[in-house]
Amino acid sequence: EAGVAQSPRYKIIEKRQSVAFWCNPISGHATLYWYQQILGQGPKLLIQFQNNGVVDDSQLPKDRFSAERLKGVDSTLKIQPAKLEDSAVYLCASSPTTSLETQYFGPGTRLLVL
Amino acid sequence: DQQVKQNSPSLSVQEGRISILNCDYTNSMFDYFLWYKKYPAEGPTFLISISSIKDKNEDGRFTVFLNKSAKHLSLHIVPSQPGDSAVYFCAARTGNTGKLIFGQGTTLQVKP
Repeated sequence: EAGVAQSPRYKIIEKRQSVAFWCNPISGHATLYWYQQILGQGPKLLIQFQNNGVVDDSQLPKDRFSAERLKGVDSTLKIQPAKLEDSAVYLCASSPTTSLETQYFGPGTRLLVL
Repeated sequence: DQQVKQNSPSLSVQEGRISILNCDYTNSMFDYFLWYKKYPAEGPTFLISISSIKDKNEDGRFTVFLNKSAKHLSLHIVPSQPGDSAVYFCAARTGNTGKLIFGQGTTLQVKP
């Protein structure tokens, strides 16, 4: 069984530029999560989807971050415009049906904003 | 407000000895706790979990202990192996939302 796929693996941009990350969850998993992990900290949930609907986006900085999961499968996370403090690893995870089940993480996208 | 804390950023142990990783939490509504392990350039992988109705859960070399009165849990690895060298994250959730709150992580180094 293939795991959670993410691309790109690394991205370097200048502040005020835009960037997008892509995630393909494990086949058949209904729930998808985006986390931000800043160096020295644990992952912090940005947004959770159940199929193509948003369950929790309370910690998503909506003035610059957006995410979508249009067909209930893969998802994109966008930052526009990026700030220096957005430098982090962006992790995508999925679980079979609900968040009460084990979450499986992708390898992450490491973003550096200069 | 850090609801889940791992106060030791790093731990170094000798191969074959016991590794003990600690985690403290503040929210008494947490009812499920998990440990994730992370190697460099990889995503976290689930290791072991424990429900708040238990005080111990064991899986091979890994045992998690929960002390609800102290709001403290620990992960014991016996015996430690060099392949256990990784960052270990403690996480907690409440049953109604399922949202995971992670600690800062502890980097474990097991020396041969």
